[in-house]
Amino acid sequence: AQTVTQSQPEMSVQEAETVTLSCTYDTSESNYYLFWYKQPPSRQMILVIRQEAYKQQNATENRFSVNFQKAAKSFSLKISDSQLGDTAMYFCAFNQGGSEKLVFGKGTKLTVNP
Amino acid sequence: AAGVIQSPRHLIKEKRETATLKCYPIPRHDTVYWYQQGPGQDPQFLISFYEKMQSDKGSIPDRFSAQQFSDYHSELNMSSLELGDSALYFCASSLGTGSHGYTFGSGTRLTVV
Repeated sequence: AQTVTQSQPEMSVQEAETVTLSCTYDTSESNYYLFWYKQPPSRQMILVIRQEAYKQQNATENRFSVNFQKAAKSFSLKISDSQLGDTAMYFCAFNQGGSEKLVFGKGTKLTVNP
Repeated sequence: AAGVIQSPRHLIKEKRETATLKCYPIPRHDTVYWYQQGPGQDPQFLISFYEKMQSDKGSIPDRFSAQQFSDYHSELNMSSLELGDSALYFCASSLGTGSHGYTFGSGTRLTVV
């Protein structure tokens, strides 16, 4: 079974600075997808970024980018120019290609301080 | 743009009662998922439906059942509620498998007292 590990339960960063959230996963599959979801206090789960395992290029969405290291099974999220609105719980998630369900990590609570 | 609609937003039930949660997916999305998120926990997959047929099943208790109707909306029925069922219940939808990521609803907060 696939597992997703987020080793940082909580992190904080100053506004405008850069922060990196860690995620590792375990799978024997070659076809899979990785995601970062954001859950602010409003509790809505919002898709931040998606990475296809067969693509070597790291995904980027505005201030959010990933460092995907397939051999190391690592998928970290970098948030540049942090904003107060980035304060949220961040979940790393795994989807095996062809499957429907997402497997989530335990989450990292990020606080952006003014 | 239309999002995933869940109702109700909040629900309070007593032990041993029954609850029904509703989910209206994004139009044209053919797959619906239900997740349970306990306090301070990550979301746990319960069940999914593709084209109105159950397609995958996770850690869903036997006391729970779900279905997807002809208009693609889905309902999660929970009977003999227990205190441990108190959680945030998310519905999500996608077009095809979860490989493209889901769109989640805002969740239903169920409190069992």
